[in-house]
Amino acid sequence: NLLTQSPGTLSLSPGERASLSCRASQSVATRSLAWYQQKPGQAPRLLIYGTTNRANGIPDRFSGSGSGTDFTLTITYLEPEDFAVYYCQQFDSSPYTFGQGTKVEI
Amino acid sequence: QVQLRESGPGLVKPSETLSLICSVSGSSFTSHYWSWIRQSPGKGLEWIGGIHSSGDTDYNPALQSRVSMSLDTSKNHFSLELTSVTTADTAVYFCARRASGYFSWFDPWGQGTAVTVSS
Repeated sequence: NLLTQSPGTLSLSPGERASLSCRASQSVATRSLAWYQQKPGQAPRLLIYGTTNRANGIPDRFSGSGSGTDFTLTITYLEPEDFAVYYCQQFDSSPYTFGQGTKVEI
Repeated sequence: QVQLRESGPGLVKPSETLSLICSVSGSSFTSHYWSWIRQSPGKGLEWIGGIHSSGDTDYNPALQSRVSMSLDTSKNHFSLELTSVTTADTAVYFCARRASGYFSWFDPWGQGTAVTVSS
């Protein structure tokens, strides 16, 4: 199941709203879609699981939505620490695949 | 706090076997899949496979013929072997715990170990 993220790069300023898209080539169950944040030199960090559920310690400015083949990660108010690369990932069918990432830059 | 840490050689010769260990602290192995994921500039993040505490394995079909995973609960670690490596296997290799239930996710992750395939 190919996951395509758009845009490839999002140029925004602190305080702005970010909307990241993830489109699947086949339908994904909502319980099977996760989002991760990765900063340079670090491992990915779980943000959202089951499309809408924030992982422990993730601030409520991060939210996920979607169903079927279209999913969205929204960051309502960008903080300086949010500038990073974001990946969607599906567990609906093997092999479990990741999107190619969206870079959120200043 | 659950922590994972990868270890192994940073350089492997083409056609040889890549072997990595992931050491786990702060977690029981029970009821989780223990997974390997790699990241390369060319292919992004790629799930390699996982091993359940029961011993069941689940491998990426693209790598299945070359991958083997094992679990050693007495040593609190699990392992990855990837045979017949080529330069396409050069990547940062991460281990991660995968929740196995109604929901699933990879968390936490190790910090990653860089492996280069070169003669």
